[in-house]
Parts: sequence; C-alpha cells; structure tokens
Amino acid sequence: QSVLTQPPSVSGAPGQRVTISCTGSSSNIGAGYDVHWYQQLPGTAPKLLIYGNSNRPSGVPDRFSGSKSGTSASLAITGLQAEDEADYYCQSYDSSLSGPWVFGGGTKLTVL
Amino acid sequence: QVTLRESGPALVKPTQTLTLTCTFSGFSLSTSGMCVSWIRQPPGKALEWLALIDWDDDKYYSTSLKTRLTISKDTSKNQVVLTMTNMDPVDTATYYCARYTNSLHHFDYWGQGTLVTVSS
Repeated sequence: QSVLTQPPSVSGAPGQRVTISCTGSSSNIGAGYDVHWYQQLPGTAPKLLIYGNSNRPSGVPDRFSGSKSGTSASLAITGLQAEDEADYYCQSYDSSLSGPWVFGGGTKLTVL
Repeated sequence: QVTLRESGPALVKPTQTLTLTCTFSGFSLSTSGMCVSWIRQPPGKALEWLALIDWDDDKYYSTSLKTRLTISKDTSKNQVVLTMTNMDPVDTATYYCARYTNSLHHFDYWGQGTLVTVSS
C-alpha cells in the first residue's frame, strides 16, 4: 500500500467541482514537505499538474488548484470537463525508510 | 525543449537482469541541481519511485529494491542507465524516467515510458 493515501475513485458531472484528497503522515506532508500532483490521461505518461502544493505550471488551466494543511493535501477541479477524466497522483518527500520520494495510490476521476 | 526517452527490452525472462536507458535533451546532468529518476507503474496500478541520480553523481534508491538496483549516468551522452537484477513477473511494468530539479523538488518532465514484461 502507498505511503500517501488517496481515494480510489471520484466522479462528477460536467461543470461540477470535485476534490481529491491525499493523506500522509508526520514523516512526509506533516513534516512540511511539499505536495505535487500529476495527471495521467489514459495510455499516456504522467504530467505535472500542481507543484509546491498550489502552483500551476504554465499551460495548466486555473480550474485546477491545490492546497495543503497539516498531514493532508487536496486537489480541486472546478468546471469539470470530459477531458479531465484521468488518474491523478499526489507525490511528496518522505524522511522515513519508505522514501525518499513517495506517491499516492492514485485516484481515478470519472466525468459522468 | 526538455525531452526524455526510455529504451530497453520489452521482454525479459525471470532471473535475468534488466538494463534500461534514458536518453534526454534540453538540459545537462552536469548542471547543479539537475537529477534524473526512474519510476515504474505495473499495469493498472500506482506509480512507484525506484531510483534517482543527481548532478554530483549521488545516488538514491527505493529501500525495498535497493539491493537489486543500480543507477548510473553518462553526462557526455546525456544518458542515465538503470539496471535491475533478478527480474520477476511482479516487476512487469511501464518504466518511466523523469527529470527532477533539486530546487523545485518535483518531477517536471517525463518520458513516454517503456513497457517491460517479465515472462518465461
């Protein structure tokens, strides 16, 4: 099982807002390490979506936002679109033997 | 423009050693702060970090796999090589290489991945 815990799946209708959680512990997110998010469209490589908890790389729509608090982080997607259907992974740094670089188990977003 | 591309065998037999090469462009591994990492993804499963090498030739390995992994770089060729010994069917996965910068702490560019199947 993954060091960072994500819900296996979330879903929402077009135009709606969804959030994906990423829960860690005191050796990773809770220790102050940044959380990053990746989007993996079907059959493709992961792509950086959010870095440093809440920053968007150039070209990522502002419909995507990230936040972090305590030992958890969240990815929010507003104005859901069909092309957002993908797997989403959180990633952080871990100071225990589990690390140092760790990923969440991934969340499958289904656009209804 | 940063690009990375993985290459290696698509099929290996159990107990064999896997050798994968990541060929990259658009940056140099001799530049301070630059790193290249290997990450894998079994079919239908999550991403798993494997190894990382930095500009100073420091190497980091997954605790659970470190006895089987070796990462190295050839700066002149812009290549990073990963070897994994004693391959098993559970190692069947898509193997990705990705760039990591020490200042930003995330994997900002990824290769397309290469699927490696372990089967006799």
